[in-house]
Amino acid sequence: SQQGEEDPQALSIQEGENATMNCSYKTSINNLQWYRQNSGRGLVHLILIRSNEREKHSGRLRVTLDTSKKSSSLLITASRAADTASYFCATSASGSRLTFGEGTQLTVNP
Amino acid sequence: DADVTQTPRNRITKTGKRIMLECSQTKGHDRMYWYRQDPGLGLRLIYYSFDVKDINKGEISDGYSVSRQAQAKFSLSLESAIPNQTALYFCATSDLRGTEQYFGPGTRLTVT
Repeated sequence: SQQGEEDPQALSIQEGENATMNCSYKTSINNLQWYRQNSGRGLVHLILIRSNEREKHSGRLRVTLDTSKKSSSLLITASRAADTASYFCATSASGSRLTFGEGTQLTVNP
Repeated sequence: DADVTQTPRNRITKTGKRIMLECSQTKGHDRMYWYRQDPGLGLRLIYYSFDVKDINKGEISDGYSVSRQAQAKFSLSLESAIPNQTALYFCATSDLRGTEQYFGPGTRLTVT
């Protein structure tokens, strides 16, 4: 079964607004990663947060991790039409195996 | 040139046929992975390899086999394709730290 569950499944916003996506997982992890997928293409790594970190920033991305609630959120600030894509969280419990969530489809309307 | 390449990009085949999907990488990574993606189900791990002599089953290995011909090449085979193997297949690589994974562009496989 999938480790991660993402919420919402789909999100539609206007350009310039912020987008927040959430991920919940079931077991202890070493790290949690977020990936982006443009329609029908390969995934691209966005950001990694380790289990001992609570917040991380990269450009317009902000990721938080709450290990007590087994949840993470990805915030994209000042969204652009080019941010339209599917976003996946992936957890790593040991080694390098990743378990992916089902993804959030983000649509940013110009 | 892309760091992780997959061939073919699209393939239509009939039930019962044997098919091989190939993956090559120029990143020099030891670790390679095969995933399948179905609509609404995210990515699921089929097989992974930490080096040429190491092959491991993933979450959904039944009906699939793999071959790690060299550090740079990792092939996925469907011995006898069936329609529910219709999916998007991705190859990925990572270095020894095993953190970030780098994905190929995917192979869209349709089994009729």
